[in-house]
Amino acid sequence: NAGVTQTPKFQVLKTGQSMTLQCAQDMNHEYMSWYRQDPGMGLRLIHYSVGAGITDQGEVPNGYNVSRSTTEDFPLRLLSAAPSQTSVYFCASSYSRESTDTQYFGPGTRLTVL
Amino acid sequence: QKEVEQDPGPLSVPEGAIVSLNCTYSNSAFQYFMWYRQYSRKGPELLMYTYSSGNKEDGRFTAQVDKSSKYISLFIRDSQPSDSATYLCAMTHLSGSARQLTFGSGTQLTVLP
Repeated sequence: NAGVTQTPKFQVLKTGQSMTLQCAQDMNHEYMSWYRQDPGMGLRLIHYSVGAGITDQGEVPNGYNVSRSTTEDFPLRLLSAAPSQTSVYFCASSYSRESTDTQYFGPGTRLTVL
Repeated sequence: QKEVEQDPGPLSVPEGAIVSLNCTYSNSAFQYFMWYRQYSRKGPELLMYTYSSGNKEDGRFTAQVDKSSKYISLFIRDSQPSDSATYLCAMTHLSGSARQLTFGSGTQLTVLP
């Protein structure tokens, strides 16, 4: 199993540009989530999904959209990038919504917005 | 005030030392308690979890939870250079349609050979 994969690993955007961060898992996990990690702030939940076709907002959802058309994929879209979105983004998955204590994280995408 | 407070460090210790990492929390709804380890430029990985007050041991690692004081700790015995990483405490509670993780800000640990 590849586990949780994320692309790209690095990205530089200009203010106002849009882009999609890709996330895929091959473990048939029901629950998937997106976090951002900033210095001194820890990991903060952006959006999550408890199954295909079901998404919900986390702690910091503004400026981001998600969709879940398949069990495997959970892309994160930045609609109009802002410097405040400069961060490291992690995708994670767990077997179910009840087992989110054991989450498997991807390697991260390092995003810089100029 | 953050729901989970964690001393950011950095913490530097000699090889073989006993390391103590700590978090406090304010939300009584937190049910399960975890420690994740994150190596530089990698994603976090689950190290230990516990569901109740008391101690849980796994090799050189011991997780301790005191729900009455809202305090959790991770002890590392005989620390090794390979333990050098950032350690994140995390806790779950029901929010929305799932149990959600709330993370501490992480403590950066360096074990010197």
